[in-house]
Amino acid sequence: ETGVTQTPRHLVMGMTNKKSLKCEQHLGHNAMYWYKQSAKKPLELMFVYNFKEQTENNSVPSRFSPECPNSSHLFLHLHTLQPEDSALYLCASSQESLNNEQFFGPGTRLTVL
Amino acid sequence: QQQVKQSPQSLIVQKGGISIINCAYENTAFDYFPWYQQFPGKGPALLIAIRPDVSEKKEGRFTISFNKSAKQFSLHIMDSQPGDSATYFCAAKGQGAQKLVFGQGTRLTINP
Repeated sequence: ETGVTQTPRHLVMGMTNKKSLKCEQHLGHNAMYWYKQSAKKPLELMFVYNFKEQTENNSVPSRFSPECPNSSHLFLHLHTLQPEDSALYLCASSQESLNNEQFFGPGTRLTVL
Repeated sequence: QQQVKQSPQSLIVQKGGISIINCAYENTAFDYFPWYQQFPGKGPALLIAIRPDVSEKKEGRFTISFNKSAKQFSLHIMDSQPGDSATYFCAAKGQGAQKLVFGQGTRLTINP
């Protein structure tokens, strides 16, 4: 496996379900990100982790709960979501540097019924 | 002030033509301006990036033009090909910052 991988690629869940999204980066980076991509809207940064520590939370509702057990893995735990949370959830990673280029995974397409 | 405004929302260009996508920003602290390309079912991938100390950067058929005084930058795709059909995002970030501010995206279609 190379780059940034995400599982599952597609997820359908009801509003009362609990599910988790997983991201793994194989690039040796020290920062990881969760983004939400909705139709006709800019990518929205949700969370940033540096060296496993959360450094940014962009006013994300508590029904989204991130977890970063180590620099290579990032999870997004989901519970009691709303239909408007349906979107593509993208994970990215970067190495702290001048440009801090972010490498994105393929995303998880989430549908909340 | 944190916004990056991108236009057009969608663009159709004939094969061999020039595709032009524009972005504008307000925050003068931004000092890094990347463009990302996203194909269906894939995450965005860095295409080309520029810093404000130069007015133009070219990589193959892709060129970024940067106008610091107008706070605008644009992506030009020369000799556009059907394989260039994708969604393109401009972005910006400040010095030392990790947060990228993205534009709304442009869906580009190149007709054969």
